[in-house]
Amino acid sequence: QKEVEQDPGPLSVPEGAIVSLNCTYSNSAFQYFMWYRQYSRKGPELLMYTYSSGNKEDGRFTAQVDKSSKYISLFIRDSQPSDSATYLCAMRPLTGNNRKLIWGLGTSLAVNP
Amino acid sequence: GAGVSQSPSNKVTEKGKDVELRCDPISGHTALYWYRQSLGQGLEFLIYFQGNSAPDKSGLPSDRFSAERTGGSVSTLTIQRTQQEDSAVYLCASSTGTGNQPQHFGDGTRLSIL
Repeated sequence: QKEVEQDPGPLSVPEGAIVSLNCTYSNSAFQYFMWYRQYSRKGPELLMYTYSSGNKEDGRFTAQVDKSSKYISLFIRDSQPSDSATYLCAMRPLTGNNRKLIWGLGTSLAVNP
Repeated sequence: GAGVSQSPSNKVTEKGKDVELRCDPISGHTALYWYRQSLGQGLEFLIYFQGNSAPDKSGLPSDRFSAERTGGSVSTLTIQRTQQEDSAVYLCASSTGTGNQPQHFGDGTRLSIL
């Protein structure tokens, strides 16, 4: 079993839909969680990061962490065609640094006009 | 300002040849990472440089892989005697500080071994 599981999709939604992207993990030491967006033939770009449980909001994006269930989510409200990309989750213990990030495989999202 | 720059963007070479991939990090970023991204594999950490400290080479898959960082800036990843399983996208990222800061990625080099 991988330390981080992420459904690769593809996920296809109509424009304006609320999108839910998820990752599950097995290591209870993970406390630092990130979401990256990767457009085709581009490098990943950081969307959001959080250290704790609960919700963190940034514009149309909300990151949610449920440590009791070892489950993180990224919600996208009012999705746009420009949100079509692959979304990667990454995480690590709070002690340590980013070269020890464990990455999900990514979920491919298509938002259709 | 300029982001992380990688060259070449694409590289096709024959099995057994050596290849060099270049990364130019964001100016002032002291931490530099190399990753490999393969279909169905996710991002795989290869090597990490931080300032003048000894690099963390723990992710290099074999002794055919090496990397250097000259003058604390540009880095080169070298793969000797390439194999078909080396075909992947090689991504470079840089960050400020001690390596706990968010990483900024380049667009990668797509390497194909024939």
